[in-house]
Amino acid sequence: KQEVTQIPAALSVPEGENLVLNCSFTDSAIYNLQWFRQDPGKGLTSLLLIQSSQREQTSGRLNASLDKSSGRSTLYIAASQPGDSATYLCAVRPGRGSTLGRLYFGRGTQLTVWP
Amino acid sequence: EAGVTQFPSHSVIEKGQTVTLRCDPISGHDNLYWYRRVMGKEIKFLLHFVKESKQDESGMPNNRFLAERTGGTYSTLKVQPAELEDSGVYFCASSQSPTYGEQFFGPGTRLTVL
Repeated sequence: KQEVTQIPAALSVPEGENLVLNCSFTDSAIYNLQWFRQDPGKGLTSLLLIQSSQREQTSGRLNASLDKSSGRSTLYIAASQPGDSATYLCAVRPGRGSTLGRLYFGRGTQLTVWP
Repeated sequence: EAGVTQFPSHSVIEKGQTVTLRCDPISGHDNLYWYRRVMGKEIKFLLHFVKESKQDESGMPNNRFLAERTGGTYSTLKVQPAELEDSGVYFCASSQSPTYGEQFFGPGTRLTVL
C-alpha cells in the first residue's frame, strides 16, 4: 500500500527565503506525482504535475523534482512571498494495478511566509 | 471555463440523519473522483467514476455511503445514516480521459455530524 510522507509538517520563514518542501513515497511504481496548494477553506489548486519519466517541472518560482527510484520529490520555492502562505500537498498516482485513477496524498506542509 | 463545483459548501447535521453532497465536474471530463479528509489525517480516496460507471470504489468506508453519477454528468454522494466519524471535508475532482490525466479539484463540502 502506497504511503506518502511530507516533511516538514509546518514551516515559518521570512519573506525572500528560498524553500524546499519534501515528499517521500514508499512504492516507486508511480505513474506521476502532483503538487497542490490549499488555501484555508478553499479547494486544492494544482501547481505542478511530473510524469514518472520526468526529472523536474518548473512553473514561475516553483520547481519540482522527482527521483522515482528513491521515492522522493522536492518542491523548491524561490524568493518566497507572503502570498505563498498555504498548505502544500504532494500526491502520487500508482503506475500499476486496478487503482490507476486514485491519488495518494501526504498530510501536507503548512507554510507561513511573514513580511 | 468553469471549474469543479460542489454543493453545499457546508452542512451540519445530526447523527442518524441523511445528507447528500453534489459535484459538478468540468464539462467534458469523463473521470470523476471523490475524496475525503478527516481532521488530522491525509486526504483519502473514496471512489472513481468513468462516465456513469464506477471504476474503483474500494475507498468507500462502508455501505452507509452511496455514490451515483447519472448520465455521466454530475455526481451525488449520499451518507445514510450519518455517524460522528463521517465529519470531514469531502472533495470532488475531475479529469479528462485518459484516466491518468491531471486531476482538478473542487472547493470541497465541509460536513459536520453532531
